[in-house]
Amino acid sequence: ELKVEQNPLFLSMQEGKNYTIYCNYSTTSDRLYWYRQDPGKSLESLFVLLSNGAVKQEGRLMASLDTKARLSTLHITAAVHDLSATYFCVGETSGSRLTFGEGTQLTVNP
Amino acid sequence: GAVVSQHPSRVICKSGTSVKIECRSLDFQATTMFWYRQFPKQSLMLMATSNEGSKATYEQGVEKDKFLINHASLTLSTLTVTSAHPEDSSFYICSARDYNRGLSPPLHFGNGTRLTVT
Repeated sequence: ELKVEQNPLFLSMQEGKNYTIYCNYSTTSDRLYWYRQDPGKSLESLFVLLSNGAVKQEGRLMASLDTKARLSTLHITAAVHDLSATYFCVGETSGSRLTFGEGTQLTVNP
Repeated sequence: GAVVSQHPSRVICKSGTSVKIECRSLDFQATTMFWYRQFPKQSLMLMATSNEGSKATYEQGVEKDKFLINHASLTLSTLTVTSAHPEDSSFYICSARDYNRGLSPPLHFGNGTRLTVT
């Protein structure tokens, strides 16, 4: 059974700063996703990571995957207030079954 | 635009009544859809896998008789919360994968349904 652990679970940071959210997973995962969720809303897809060494960047966010270490990271560069949200790391196993991490609630303060 | 439509977005019902939530794939056929539940400030938990034309597969701990799933067509799955109680109040989200979109078929989520049972 796949388990996904994120840390930190709560992150308060100042605008302009950099930070990394870590995601460890327990067994082989077909794909690794990062999603964003705003309060009361559904999920917004940020990244899909398919293979070892994959690195993807979109704006101030960059995600990476190390399948040997079973670790994915979401790096935030020069944070802005609009990035405040909850970020989920999600692993996928056979049959498109998703296992969600606990989520990281990010607050970016002016 | 949305490729998976969920309806209603919000519903308030009284204890003991049943509520039906619809999940539609708008421009693709989905033989499989997934239902998740999210309690406030918590993560999403897979409740069940909805299979077109056959019985749903429920996760451990999810009551089949309470959460009825019907996937009667290739574009529609419904989740009915029967005899709802306040502890069923939650955010319910469906998802479906579009397998017609190449080697890495995208996974789409509905906008979710906020259920409040009074």
